[in-house]
Amino acid sequence: DAKTTQPDSMESTEGETVHLPCSHATISGNEYIYWYRQVPLQGPEYVTHGLQQNTTNSMAFLAIASDRKSSTLILPHVSLRDAAVYHCILRVDGGNNKLTFGQGTVLSVIP
Amino acid sequence: AQTIHQWPVAEIKAVGSPLSLGCTIKGKSSPNLYWYWQATGGTLQQLFYSITVGQVESVVQLNLSASRPKDDQFILSTEKLLLSHSGFYLCAWSQGLNTEVFFGKGTRLTVV
Repeated sequence: DAKTTQPDSMESTEGETVHLPCSHATISGNEYIYWYRQVPLQGPEYVTHGLQQNTTNSMAFLAIASDRKSSTLILPHVSLRDAAVYHCILRVDGGNNKLTFGQGTVLSVIP
Repeated sequence: AQTIHQWPVAEIKAVGSPLSLGCTIKGKSSPNLYWYWQATGGTLQQLFYSITVGQVESVVQLNLSASRPKDDQFILSTEKLLLSHSGFYLCAWSQGLNTEVFFGKGTRLTVV
């Protein structure tokens, strides 16, 4: 699977909108962009995913660049419970549905 | 709604002792099931996956084995624990092989 690059950490204040960047310059045409978040001592929580078009759900908005070499997870009006490690993962369509986690971005939220 | 239950929540075991971790999925028939492992300070990696009862594929060799005795049950085990087996074990499921994966709350294993 192609590699992703994320900043090690980001900080935000409650109520702000956070933009979490992810670079995937060598992404293949059949790779989906998945975002998960994880807090200590818990399993990862699915946030969203996309292939080419921007997507939105109750948790976040995923903006995908037109060349698909980067994406941004946008979290509107963050709260303290949004503090977590956010993982940007590329998953190949088909195979064993393997998710390859990296270190992700540690998002800190200040009251 | 689907629920995923893992047991035990935490375990402390001696080196050389056997291990059995369990996972049950309720509210979903014929799910794809997965075992993931995270060493302390490390990243999550997939260990096994299963698409049907009785069929399990190994992804990473860690002297562990997995079995799927029922449609809704996934078991991770070994006869002899190593210190390197310590970490956080997560069971997960998905509806198909190309859909989002949902994780359980995990089992924290400490081998002493």
